[in-house]
Amino acid sequence: QVQLQESGPGLVKPSETLSLTCSVSGGSISRYYWSWIRQPPKKGLEWIGYVDYNGNTNYSPSLKSRVTISVDTSKNDFSLSVASVTAADTAVYFCARLEPSVTGYYGMDVWGQGTTVTVSS
Amino acid sequence: SSELTQDPAVSVALGQTVTITCQGDSFRHYYPTWYQQKPGQAPVLVMFGQNDRPSGIPDRFSGSSSGNTASLTITGAQAEDEADYYCNSRDISGARVFGGGTRLTVL
Repeated sequence: QVQLQESGPGLVKPSETLSLTCSVSGGSISRYYWSWIRQPPKKGLEWIGYVDYNGNTNYSPSLKSRVTISVDTSKNDFSLSVASVTAADTAVYFCARLEPSVTGYYGMDVWGQGTTVTVSS
Repeated sequence: SSELTQDPAVSVALGQTVTITCQGDSFRHYYPTWYQQKPGQAPVLVMFGQNDRPSGIPDRFSGSSSGNTASLTITGAQAEDEADYYCNSRDISGARVFGGGTRLTVL
């Protein structure tokens, strides 16, 4: 059974870069899209973007200028970077697995537990 | 537009039926997916595709989509169904978007 685990610093200073990694265990990183989603305190879910095992990416238009998602198939993990962070980037960050479909048929069926990132000096 | 609109809150009496809706132009072209999130937990996929449930999701959950509206129906709501529910879809580029979420209260 595939499991995902987020890791990374819980505190980031304003203007710096937030970096998180999601480790994939119990299955291969190939075939799927690997997504990042975040949830600010007391707010809804926000989709950030995804990467496939070839390194192809798709980002939310609202975050595209600051976000990079990459994959490391040798380590079976994928990573998120958000540049020039502000307090508005404070959130719980989740990673999730998404099965590709041109019709959007499938959903994000495996999620990590989430990791809290606070942006503060 | 790829925006998805949900009612912020809905309530249902224990054992009754409730429908949570989500509006967006993307549903004219793509399937909706639905997620349940309880406090302090990661979201869980409860519905995808035409009306498919992942393994382990009770059959009291069902889904449909018509025009620009997607719906998630719980027939015989249970106390454990009290949660936030989010719809999601893709756009023409493949990007995904979530609705604002609906808080379901079971009375």
